[in-house]
Amino acid sequence: DSGVTQTPKHLITATGQRVTLRCSPRSGDLSVYWYQQSLDQGLQFLIQYYNGEERAKGNILERFSAQQFPDLHSELNLSSLELGDSALYFCASSPSRGGNTEAFFGQGTRLTVV
Amino acid sequence: AQRVTQPEKLLSVFKGAPVELKCNYSYSGSPELFWYVQYSRQRLQLLLRHISRESIKGFTADLNKGETSFHLKKPFAQEEDSAMYYCALKTGANNLFFGTGTRLTVIP
Repeated sequence: DSGVTQTPKHLITATGQRVTLRCSPRSGDLSVYWYQQSLDQGLQFLIQYYNGEERAKGNILERFSAQQFPDLHSELNLSSLELGDSALYFCASSPSRGGNTEAFFGQGTRLTVV
Repeated sequence: AQRVTQPEKLLSVFKGAPVELKCNYSYSGSPELFWYVQYSRQRLQLLLRHISRESIKGFTADLNKGETSFHLKKPFAQEEDSAMYYCALKTGANNLFFGTGTRLTVIP
């Protein structure tokens, strides 16, 4: 157990809908990362937050947004869902800004858009 | 811009054979490189980091700045090594970028 918790584990929804994925980082970790893993694309970096502030954006669609709350948990909001958004969404956390720190991953949320 | 390239999506080797998973990176700063592994039905986890110069489960990886590579090697593959392997680059801003991954299958 990495200490990173993601809910829900599975989510099935229809095209056009909106969903929220939740991530609770390890206790004390300030950085949260979101990744999308699909079969043909591998692990794609979406966005990173550090202590409540957006730190970096990767290949995140405009239909997607995220935030990190004062208690450091994070949510990834996916709207106007399309079939191609079906994927595993991972959250990871790490302790601090710099240093050779390891990222700890949650088990992921499997999103299926039908 | 930073980039991590893993040229092989799939790699199959026989048990006991040497294995090398390739990783090349592009980054203008001083890189911090990692290998992460995802076993079947398990979460992604750190395998090793370049700064530690350690051998984990028989795997080693050497950072070659001249060739901008961080290939993962093991002299004798085991069946339990079958997994998805991701090379990752951490930038100075603490962003972590992954390659597209290589699925290693060790054939008994």
